[in-house]
Amino acid sequence: ETGVTQTPRHLVMGMTNKKSLKCEQHLGHNAMYWYKQSAKKPLELMFVYSLEERVENNSVPSRFSPECPNSSHLFLHLHTLQPEDSALYLCASSQGHRWSDTQYFGPGTRLTVL
Amino acid sequence: GESVGLHLPTLSVQEGDNSIINCAYSNSASDYFIWYKQESGKGPQFIIDIRSNMDKRQGQRVTVLLNKTVKHLSLQIAATQPGDSAVYFCAENPNTGNQFYFGTGTSLTVIP
Repeated sequence: ETGVTQTPRHLVMGMTNKKSLKCEQHLGHNAMYWYKQSAKKPLELMFVYSLEERVENNSVPSRFSPECPNSSHLFLHLHTLQPEDSALYLCASSQGHRWSDTQYFGPGTRLTVL
Repeated sequence: GESVGLHLPTLSVQEGDNSIINCAYSNSASDYFIWYKQESGKGPQFIIDIRSNMDKRQGQRVTVLLNKTVKHLSLQIAATQPGDSAVYFCAENPNTGNQFYFGTGTSLTVIP
């Protein structure tokens, strides 16, 4: 695999379920990101990790819990979600966390909360 | 937050014609801009970028123009092909870390 991969590609869950999204980057990057993409809305930055430390958390509800065990892997743990959380969740990575570092995206996980 | 918007939500062009997709941004301090392409069922794909010290940058069949005076960014696609059909986003970085602000996107449809 090359680039940024995400699993699963599709996920349907009930509001009481607990699930996790996985992201892996094969680019040797040091920063990773979670974004939420809802229909007809701009990408919303959720979390940023740089060298495995969380550097930004954009007021995301606690039902979303990120984990970055190493610079190549990023998880998003989900629990007690709401139907309005249904969206495409995108992972991205960049060489560093500088303003000039281009972010490269994975294909996303399409999440549906019933 | 930042405001990055696109003038038109949809654009249809004939195959072989040139396409121009526009983007307005609000922060005059923004230093770095990226155009992404997102095909159906896929994540955004980097197309081309430009720094604020440049007015124009060319890639393969694509050109990005930056007008800092009016805070306007455009993406030109030459000889548009069916494979160019996608949603195109602009993103700006106001040089405050690596937080980009994205537009809602323009949906480009290429008519064979």
